[in-house]
Amino acid sequence: GAVVSQHPSRVICKSGTSVKIECRSLDFQATTMFWYRQFPKQSLMLMATSNEGSKATYEQGVEKDKFLINHASLTLSTLTVTSAHPEDSSFYICSARDRGPALAGAGETQYFGPGTRLLVL
Amino acid sequence: AQKVTQAQTEISVVEKEDVTLDCVYETRDTTYYLFWYKQPPSGELVFLIRRNSFDEQNEISGRYSWNFQKSTSSFNFTITASQVVDSAVYFCALAYSGSARQLTFGSGTQLTVLP
Repeated sequence: GAVVSQHPSRVICKSGTSVKIECRSLDFQATTMFWYRQFPKQSLMLMATSNEGSKATYEQGVEKDKFLINHASLTLSTLTVTSAHPEDSSFYICSARDRGPALAGAGETQYFGPGTRLLVL
Repeated sequence: AQKVTQAQTEISVVEKEDVTLDCVYETRDTTYYLFWYKQPPSGELVFLIRRNSFDEQNEISGRYSWNFQKSTSSFNFTITASQVVDSAVYFCALAYSGSARQLTFGSGTQLTVLP
């Protein structure tokens, strides 16, 4: 259980184009999904928190018009990198928090997708 | 403010050796959760363990064990009889009891197990 998928796993695009990344929780409902960015040999940097049916909350320094997040259902969140530039090249990872019984602590765990490697030429 | 410190940037051991990965955290919350994740070369983060702040019992799962000590704000991870497949980056993380349960990650420890 607790499987999160991401699509695509790898994308190469030209500068100026937009790229959409999908994050799905396959076997559970996720009230909250998170988007992270990771540079080589570095830790994960939280970009935004996404709640189903409401606007995402962006971390300081993350451009919300650049990184559009939509959380249309309890199992799907999308990140769109608009007008991508080479500096946007990175490893993007999503996670989903299980809305399982609070008593079991299940709602406290984030499960991560396999990540998307974006290369902007 | 929350902070997670993994002082060991890289560790190399020879197969079958035991290895301990250190994690020290800072938080003002009385209710919080600690996690360990494994990130193999493929990139996907694999959940290993969650521990809440009220449960200081140590846990063992196969070759893995965790030592949680609130007195020293540490949540260390030991791999017994390490194997080559254990080679990965290991992240310690902290979630406070806020509504979003956002994670604060440590910088990670690259573990290399040599055959």
